[in-house]
Amino acid sequence: KQEVTQIPAALSVPEGENLVLNCSFTDSAIYNLQWFRQDPGKGLTSLLLIQSSQREQTSGRLNASLDKSSGRSTLYIAASQPGDSATYLCAVVGSGYSTLTFGKGTMLLVSP
Amino acid sequence: DAGVTQSPTHLIKTRGQHVTLRCSPISGHKSVSWYQQVLGQGPQFIFQYYEKEERGRGNFPDRFSARQFPNYSSELNVNALLLGDSALYLCASSQISGSREKLFFGSGTQLSVL
Repeated sequence: KQEVTQIPAALSVPEGENLVLNCSFTDSAIYNLQWFRQDPGKGLTSLLLIQSSQREQTSGRLNASLDKSSGRSTLYIAASQPGDSATYLCAVVGSGYSTLTFGKGTMLLVSP
Repeated sequence: DAGVTQSPTHLIKTRGQHVTLRCSPISGHKSVSWYQQVLGQGPQFIFQYYEKEERGRGNFPDRFSARQFPNYSSELNVNALLLGDSALYLCASSQISGSREKLFFGSGTQLSVL
């Protein structure tokens, strides 16, 4: 059974800092890995999707890497802003394609 | 274009009651998935439908059921509600079956069971 772990569970940083969120998964037989953002009580917004054959994806100030063999992914946020405050969720898709398995998320607070 | 829409946004029920949650996917999307998110946890997969057929089912009791209509909208039904069913229920849509591409999530239905 696939398990996804995210570290740290919570993170508080001052505005402008670069930061790294970590995600690990137990079964390396994944189809893709996705990073989502969730604001309190709201739905999920897809940030980045990395196919299993890729090593990284970038979107603006966000960069996600994938090391499938070691079962790890990182989300790098450059020059953090208060608007980045949210919970960030990592999810993997197995070879069955049908489901996302999520971690519990990292709650990020960026203070002005 | 409208995103994924879910209704209602909030719902309060009592134990033993039945509830129906509704989801309209993005226009052109044929796949709908349902997830349950308990406070402080990541979403858990419940069902996936594509072209009105069930393509995946998570580890949930038979009290949970779903269906997809010809217009690709979907309903999630939960019978005999328990306190533990209190959660945010999320619907996601995509063009193709499964999760091989980005999923687009709705804002969810917050269900409280008293």
